[in-house]
Amino acid sequence: QTVVTQEPSLTVSPGGTVTLTCASSTGAVTSDAWPSWLQHKPGQPPRTLIYRTFYRQPWTPARFSGSLLGGKAALTLSGVQPEDEGEYYCLLHLGVIWVFGGGTKLNVL
Amino acid sequence: QVQLVQSGADVKEPGASVKISCRASGYTFTSYGVHWVRQAPGQRLEWMGWIKGDDGRTVYSETFQGRLIITRDTAATTVYMQLSSLRFDDTTVYYCASERFATGNFDFWGQGTLVTVSS
Repeated sequence: QTVVTQEPSLTVSPGGTVTLTCASSTGAVTSDAWPSWLQHKPGQPPRTLIYRTFYRQPWTPARFSGSLLGGKAALTLSGVQPEDEGEYYCLLHLGVIWVFGGGTKLNVL
Repeated sequence: QVQLVQSGADVKEPGASVKISCRASGYTFTSYGVHWVRQAPGQRLEWMGWIKGDDGRTVYSETFQGRLIITRDTAATTVYMQLSSLRFDDTTVYYCASERFATGNFDFWGQGTLVTVSS
């Protein structure tokens, strides 16, 4: 069974830049896996920010960008805002199924 | 605007089945698929399965094979998720999410449905 791994937690200062990554136990993550990034805050449904590696939703601020980095999918936040604190999940399309990563708790301090 | 509205919270005994609905509006139902995702407390999001809006084709996670059935009613623009042989660790919030077919974009989400398995 494929395991998708993310950093358990990261801390960034307001205005700073942080990169979250997403690795697959099956090998390098490529654009074929249609990497997505979702933000999930307590009591709310998840919200997709980035899909198919780098496409933003209409509601996704420009400070969020998706890419591939060293065999992993990556989400970079530039100019972090306090409201960006929360849990971030990557989601990969592997064959016909989808697999979530373990999530990264982003702390903005 | 696009909306996915799920049925309300439910309480079931171990071994029973639960059926949750997800009513879609604001888009062409047959041009989208609908995924089901859940998250147990303190756990990661977990993809359960998907149904294609036009022909009803389904794909399920191996984790739920044999226990999960996803169906749709195109006239009612509603998708249903039925999970059987419920266990205590099935207690969690279940979400539906739409995906315009073959885009990989889980663009809109239901509000979530809490299912509690308790004796």
